[in-house]
Amino acid sequence: KQEVTQIPAALSVPEGENLVLNCSFTDSAIYNLQWFRQDPGKGLTSLLLIQSSQREQTSGRLNASLDKSSGRSTLYIAASQPGDSATYLCAVNTGNQFYFGTGTSLTVIP
Amino acid sequence: EAQVTQNPRYLITVTGKKLTVTCSQNMNHEYMSWYRQDPGLGLRQIYYSMNVEVTDKGDVPEGYKVSRKEKRNFPLILESPSPNQTSLYFCASTQTGGSYNEQFFGPGTRLTVL
Repeated sequence: KQEVTQIPAALSVPEGENLVLNCSFTDSAIYNLQWFRQDPGKGLTSLLLIQSSQREQTSGRLNASLDKSSGRSTLYIAASQPGDSATYLCAVNTGNQFYFGTGTSLTVIP
Repeated sequence: EAQVTQNPRYLITVTGKKLTVTCSQNMNHEYMSWYRQDPGLGLRQIYYSMNVEVTDKGDVPEGYKVSRKEKRNFPLILESPSPNQTSLYFCASTQTGGSYNEQFFGPGTRLTVL
């Protein structure tokens, strides 16, 4: 069974800092990996989708990388802002099912 | 607008009283899924459906039922809810299960079982 881990569970940084969130998975047989943002008590907002054949994807200040063979993905956030404060979740698609990590709670301090 | 809708958004009920949470998508997606989200446990898949009349158990199916009679709808049924089913529930859809497309999520249903 696929297991997805996100480290750290919580992260607090001053505004303007660059930061990296980590996601690891145990089975490299995936179709894609998706990063989401979730605000407290809210739904999931899709940030980036990386196909299994891709190495990275970029959207604005966000860059996600994927190393399928080692079972790792990172989400890089440049020049963090207080509005980036949220929980960030990664999810892997194994074909039939989707497996989520427990998330990293990010606080950006003004 | 492409979207996944869920109803109700909030529900408080009592143990044993059957309830249904509806989910509908307007993107003609084949794959639909239900998740529950609990503190410290993340999102866990309850049931999924690869297409009409095809449903399968996810990781935590006990106490839940689903049906997929139409492509756009995928209701979640709790026939005899218990307090341990108090949770935040999400419905999601994507083009196909083994696809390279992203998942789209509904806004969530917060269920409390007393």
